[in-house]
Amino acid sequence: GAVVSQHPSRVICKSGTSVKIECRSLDFQATTMFWYRQFPKKSLMLMATSNEGSKATYEQGVEKDKFLINHASLTLSTLTVTSAHPEDSSFYICSARVRIGANNLPLHFGNGTRLTVT
Amino acid sequence: GENVEQHPSTLSVQEGDSAVIKCTYSDSASNYFPWYKQELGKGPQLIIDIRSNVGEKKDQRIAVTLNKTAKHFSLHITETQPEDSAVYFCAASTTSGTYKYIFGTGTRLKVLA
Repeated sequence: GAVVSQHPSRVICKSGTSVKIECRSLDFQATTMFWYRQFPKKSLMLMATSNEGSKATYEQGVEKDKFLINHASLTLSTLTVTSAHPEDSSFYICSARVRIGANNLPLHFGNGTRLTVT
Repeated sequence: GENVEQHPSTLSVQEGDSAVIKCTYSDSASNYFPWYKQELGKGPQLIIDIRSNVGEKKDQRIAVTLNKTAKHFSLHITETQPEDSAVYFCAASTTSGTYKYIFGTGTRLKVLA
């Protein structure tokens, strides 16, 4: 159980275009999803927290107008990288969690999306 | 805010030996500590976790220990196998607020056959 599916796994786009990445929880309802960015051989950097039906909360230094997050249902969150530039090239990973009561249940991660902007 | 430090950054062990990875955290409010294994080109996979009301947890060849006083927690892998080679991340979280995870910097483990 607790499978998170992320698509696409790889995408190459031209500078100035927008790219949408989907994150789906396949067998559970995810009240909260998190989007991370990972540079080569580096740790996971939290970009934003997405709660179903409300606006995402962005971490300091992350441009909300550039990285648009939509969490329209309990099983789907999307990250759109707008007007992409080569410096946006990175590995983007989503994760999802369902919380029951006060339990902090583990995060389940998707397999990531490698974005290359040319 | 929370800060998690992880050591070592790289670790090479002979197959069959044990591997230990250590993390320290700064926020005494953190009470949940998961460990993730990340293989090349994939997302992190949870391998074990521990809550602050427990000092040690074991799952076959993997164990995690927690010292709340010192704000240390460690991952122990015994009888290492080549398939254990990967990057391991520790994380710290709380059960209040946004519940977000703060990850350590990662340890690249290489098990030599």
